[in-house]
Amino acid sequence: QKEVEQNSGPLSVPEGAIASLNCTYSDRGSQSFFWYRQYSGKSPELIMFIYSNGDKEDGRFTAQLNKASQYVSLLIRDSQPSDSATYLCAPIASGGSYIPTFGRGTSLIVHP
Amino acid sequence: SAVISQKPSRDICQRGTSLTIQCQVDSQVTMMFWYRQQPGQSLTLIATANQGSEATYESGFVIDKFPISRPNLTFSTLTVSNMSPEDSSIYLCSVGAGADEQFFGPGTRLTVL
Repeated sequence: QKEVEQNSGPLSVPEGAIASLNCTYSDRGSQSFFWYRQYSGKSPELIMFIYSNGDKEDGRFTAQLNKASQYVSLLIRDSQPSDSATYLCAPIASGGSYIPTFGRGTSLIVHP
Repeated sequence: SAVISQKPSRDICQRGTSLTIQCQVDSQVTMMFWYRQQPGQSLTLIATANQGSEATYESGFVIDKFPISRPNLTFSTLTVSNMSPEDSSIYLCSVGAGADEQFFGPGTRLTVL
């Protein structure tokens, strides 16, 4: 059974701070990882994709991957109230099917 | 990126009836997926819809309950059959365009009374 663990939160940070969202996964064969943002009542929106160990930066977002520890994180710098949403971690199952397995997500609240 | 539309956006149905949800993509895609997201929960994959062949269902989901059609590379339907209140959920269509692209439709919010 492939499992993806995320702290459900809510994680509350002040505006302008760095928000750190963490995810662990059980499938050691996972090759790549999606991070999705989901606003309340909306469908998930892909914001980051990472497949190599280390950091990947895109604007205010940085994804960090450590395959040995089976750990992936998402950092949001200069957090804004508009970043308030649920963030879903989704490793891609091994085997080449490109089907993600979703965690429950972490609720982030950025307060002014 | 792919633009995905779903119909209906929401519906309220009576127990024992069936609802067919449509998913339309603005480009040809090989793989289409149907997910369910129950209140406060994450996304659960129901099945992968393959054009020209039977859908592949995940554990816990069966074709009699969730029949799927995939008549071409831009369209798919999911039917929720013989509904019960436990089927109340958001149903999402998704398309994959490779290892680094996975997009979701806006979802169908289903309430079963």
